[in-house]
Order: sequence, then C-alpha cells, then structure tokens
Amino acid sequence: GIQVEQSPPDLILQEGANSTLRCNFSDSVNNLQWFHQNPWGQLINLFYIPSGTKQNGRLSATTVATERYSLLYISSSQTTDSGVYFCAVVDSGYALNFGKGTSLLVTP
Amino acid sequence: GAVVSQHPSWVICKSGTSVKIECRSLDFQATTMFWYRQFPKQSLMLMATSNEGSKATYEQGVEKDKFLINHASLTLSTLTVTSAHPEDSSFYICSARDGRGGSYEQYFGPGTRLTVT
Repeated sequence: GIQVEQSPPDLILQEGANSTLRCNFSDSVNNLQWFHQNPWGQLINLFYIPSGTKQNGRLSATTVATERYSLLYISSSQTTDSGVYFCAVVDSGYALNFGKGTSLLVTP
Repeated sequence: GAVVSQHPSWVICKSGTSVKIECRSLDFQATTMFWYRQFPKQSLMLMATSNEGSKATYEQGVEKDKFLINHASLTLSTLTVTSAHPEDSSFYICSARDGRGGSYEQYFGPGTRLTVT
C-alpha cells in the first residue's frame, strides 16, 4: 500500500509563531485529507485536498500531486492549535491510510 | 458539513463480555463506512471496510469473528467486540464516506474508548 510519511514528528511553538507540516506519499492518490485530533480524540476535518491549494482562516494547505507531497501551514499559532495533525490518503478502495502524525504543542 | 455520531463515547466492560458500538451518519447517506482503532500515542489503523447490505472486508490480522461488523442501513454501522479481553482496550473510531458528487472525503465520529477489565 501507499506509504505516508509526516514530518516533523513533534513540534513546539510559541504562540504567534508560524509553522509548516509536511506529508510525503509514495504513489498517486485520489484523496488526501488533513485532520486535527483534539485532546478528546475527535478527528476534525481540516482540508480535503487531493491537489491544489486551499485556505481556511489561519490554516492553508497545498498538495503537489505530481511530486507526491502536501504541506499544511499554520499561521499565528494559538494554544488551541495544540494536538496531533494527521495526513491521510486513499489507498485501494476508499479507505484512508494515515501517517504517524505531527504532535504540536503551542505554548503561551 | 457532514456529521457522524458514535455511541457510546466510552465503555468499561468485564473480560469475556461483548460490547456493541454504533456509528451513524446523521445528515447524509453513507454507502461505505470504516472502522479504525487507535492505541495511545499511535496513528489510526484500519480494521475493516463496511458496505451497506454486504459483508465487511477486514484488514489482515483483524479477526472477523471477534470484531463483528454490520452495516444494515445507509446511515448505521455497528461494531461488536465479542468476548472482549484486556488487550482489546483501545480507542475505536468510525468514519463514513460521503460519496455525493464522486467525493472521496471521509468524516469521522468522535470515537469510543473501550476499557476491558
């Protein structure tokens, strides 16, 4: 199946800082999604972005499908941005194949 | 956006008993639902794919007789953990694919934390 690698595995930021999270995948994909898992375990859909660029408030994402990577940008980070960010792609069928995640801690 | 619910949100059961977890798509019809499990500090691992009206497809290493999945309608899938043991303690999360317009986007339920004593 498709391999999904996320970097960095851990990230500590001071409130107000910007960051870029990366997701590399080993084959072409029909779907790529970014999620934020909050401390209660809920996965929150951030972006559905198999290609192109999207923005939602302080967050934006870019997927370059031909080069098999996606980037998630977080600007002016807030403590509520803390949590784990997952990238996931569709492998065979429709099931999502998750990366190991980036654990983000934003300090006051 | 599409909403997926799960019930219960947490459950504690004794070893040897069975537990049923429900997953519902509230505002869309989901021909395909998925079940994942997540251990602490780890990523989500797919357990099975559930299609309405047909048998679930299990991932390698997942015992189909232990984790019974039923997808009886376009809005409901259930996962039953039979004869639960402490090693089955985990966070179970379902998702549903909203296939309208050919989309592959999936929406996740809030998860069920299972503790087997």
